[in-house]
Amino acid sequence: SAVISQKPSRDICQRGTSLTIQCQVDSQVTMMFWYRQQPGQSLTLIATANQGSEATYESGFVIDKFPISRPNLTFSTLTVSNMSPEDSSIYLCSVGGMNTEAFFGQGTRLTVV
Amino acid sequence: ELKVEQNPLFLSMQEGKNYTIYCNYSTTSDRLYWYRQDPGKSLESLFVLLSNGAVKQEGRLMASLDTKARLSTLHITAAVHDLSATYFCAVDMTNTGNQFYFGTGTSLTVIP
Repeated sequence: SAVISQKPSRDICQRGTSLTIQCQVDSQVTMMFWYRQQPGQSLTLIATANQGSEATYESGFVIDKFPISRPNLTFSTLTVSNMSPEDSSIYLCSVGGMNTEAFFGQGTRLTVV
Repeated sequence: ELKVEQNPLFLSMQEGKNYTIYCNYSTTSDRLYWYRQDPGKSLESLFVLLSNGAVKQEGRLMASLDTKARLSTLHITAAVHDLSATYFCAVDMTNTGNQFYFGTGTSLTVIP
């Protein structure tokens, strides 16, 4: 299993600002994933973060709004840029492997005011 | 566009009763996962189903996968209050693993 630490666990931010969320894994993984869970909703995949290459974004998500870094095999960041109240969500990172369960961080609860 | 639908969205059941949650998905996949989420918490893995006909059981929960029907079920036997949570199915659409498309979720409340 993998242990995933996310920081911060929660934050309240002013609209128009940016927040960077960190995700640290206790072992090396090839792929990391970022999800968004809007209030009372399911999870939506934002992007796949690969080490050494650009992140791959899902439809409806763009790099300018959600830039991602993946500097090594145990760490990734997701930035939520130019925030608006609609960005208020829980953001989760995830790791996993082929044919195994995925492990999720504890999430970052973001409130934009 | 892949759709993953669960029903029911909300389920209230009495302790001791049985019920089934359904997860339908719209395209071919033979990897399906079930997760549990408690309020304010992250996701806890319940089952990993990797082939047609896969059936797994843990305690009062049993999950199955029919890839031809594009259907997975999560069966609850003799529900207890501790099972109250939101349950998500997730379909893995890639060959690289764990790029999930989540179902809409089923909020389960077990009433004493």
